[in-house]
Amino acid sequence: SAVISQKPSRDICQRGTSLTIQCQVDSQVTMMFWYRQQPGQSLTLIATANQGSEATYESGFVIDKFPISRPNLTFSTLTVSNMSPEDSSIYLCSVERGQGAFFGQGTRLTVV
Amino acid sequence: QQQVKQSPQSLIVQKGGISIINCAYENTAFDYFPWYQQFPGKGPALLIAIRPDVSEKKEGRFTISFNKSAKQFSLHIMDSQPGDSATYFCAARSDTSGTYKYIFGTGTRLKVLA
Repeated sequence: SAVISQKPSRDICQRGTSLTIQCQVDSQVTMMFWYRQQPGQSLTLIATANQGSEATYESGFVIDKFPISRPNLTFSTLTVSNMSPEDSSIYLCSVERGQGAFFGQGTRLTVV
Repeated sequence: QQQVKQSPQSLIVQKGGISIINCAYENTAFDYFPWYQQFPGKGPALLIAIRPDVSEKKEGRFTISFNKSAKQFSLHIMDSQPGDSATYFCAARSDTSGTYKYIFGTGTRLKVLA
């Protein structure tokens, strides 16, 4: 298993602003993953973050909107930029442990 | 081809009954099939998983049945309890250039009546 801590757990933000979500893992991992879960929906992969290189974004997600940092092997941040109400979702950090993907508790973002 | 189709969308079961959730996939490159349980306000938690060379895996009250030829797999929850009320997601994993990626089903909201 893995212990994954996310901050903040929830936030309410004004449209047009940005929010940075932090993810801390209890041990070193090569890759960290960021997912979005829209209300009542499934999980969609936003990007894969490798330490020391640019994140790899999935179709429909761009770096300008969701910049990601990966300064070391246990930490990553996801920024949701220039937010609109459509960005209201749960954002989840994840790591792979061989027997499956493990998730943080998520950051519930509401944009007003 | 990358989709994982999950049914039913919601399920109501009496306490002590069997809950059955089904998933189907198209991509034969998927190599691992986990199930996740998510409670409100929490992240998904890995429940049980199976590899395609195994037809069944059981852990406590949870069983995965896997039909490779039909490209289908299902989660059975025996003796369902009110505490099992949650949303369940199936997933399928592929190895893309050395990176594991998961495709998730649309989720099943299970309610177990006391």
